[in-house]
Amino acid sequence: GENVEQHPSTLSVQEGDSAVIKCTYSDSASNYFPWYKQELGKGPQLIIDIRSNVGEKKDQRIAVTLNKTAKHFSLHITETQPEDSAVYFCAGAGSQGNLIFGKGTKLSVKP
Amino acid sequence: EPEVTQTPSHQVTQMGQEVILRCVPISNHLYFYWYRQILGQKVEFLVSFYNNEISEKSEIFDDQFSVERPDGSNFTLKIRSTKLEDSAMYFCASSEGSPNYGYTFGSGTRLTVV
Repeated sequence: GENVEQHPSTLSVQEGDSAVIKCTYSDSASNYFPWYKQELGKGPQLIIDIRSNVGEKKDQRIAVTLNKTAKHFSLHITETQPEDSAVYFCAGAGSQGNLIFGKGTKLSVKP
Repeated sequence: EPEVTQTPSHQVTQMGQEVILRCVPISNHLYFYWYRQILGQKVEFLVSFYNNEISEKSEIFDDQFSVERPDGSNFTLKIRSTKLEDSAMYFCASSEGSPNYGYTFGSGTRLTVV
């Protein structure tokens, strides 16, 4: 089955800097890769996703890149703000649509 | 914006008791899911449900677990005889398409087994 690895587990950046979180997946048949932001005590919230037929997607300060050959995808947050501080999870879609999550990255943005 | 609603937000139960966690998915969604997250760990898939039957389940989803869509709007997760290790956040999710369109999570139910 699908396995998703996520790095780093913690990331601390200064406000205004960029943050990059990387994930790898094992199942070459996976075709959907969402990123979720989870704040304390809340459910995962979708922030951006990418399907396997594109290599990059942007939404304002957030971008995701996908390298199907290498089976990895990355989240890029530019001009980070304190409110970006949260745990970020990558995921890959399994054969039935169930999401396989990475272990999460705790992002801290210092003012 | 449509949302997935879960109740209760927090449930405390004694070991061995049965619990039912409730979810109201987004109304036009066709696929329903349960996930759990043990404190400080990643979100783990439990089960997916489509067309009134389980479409996939993980190793975690053993005979103690069951799901039901009793009335066309609610989607429930039942744990028959809770164990201490069942303590976790349980998230319901739904999606409109097969299977990765409009995937939306609820806010979760924190289950504490004592």
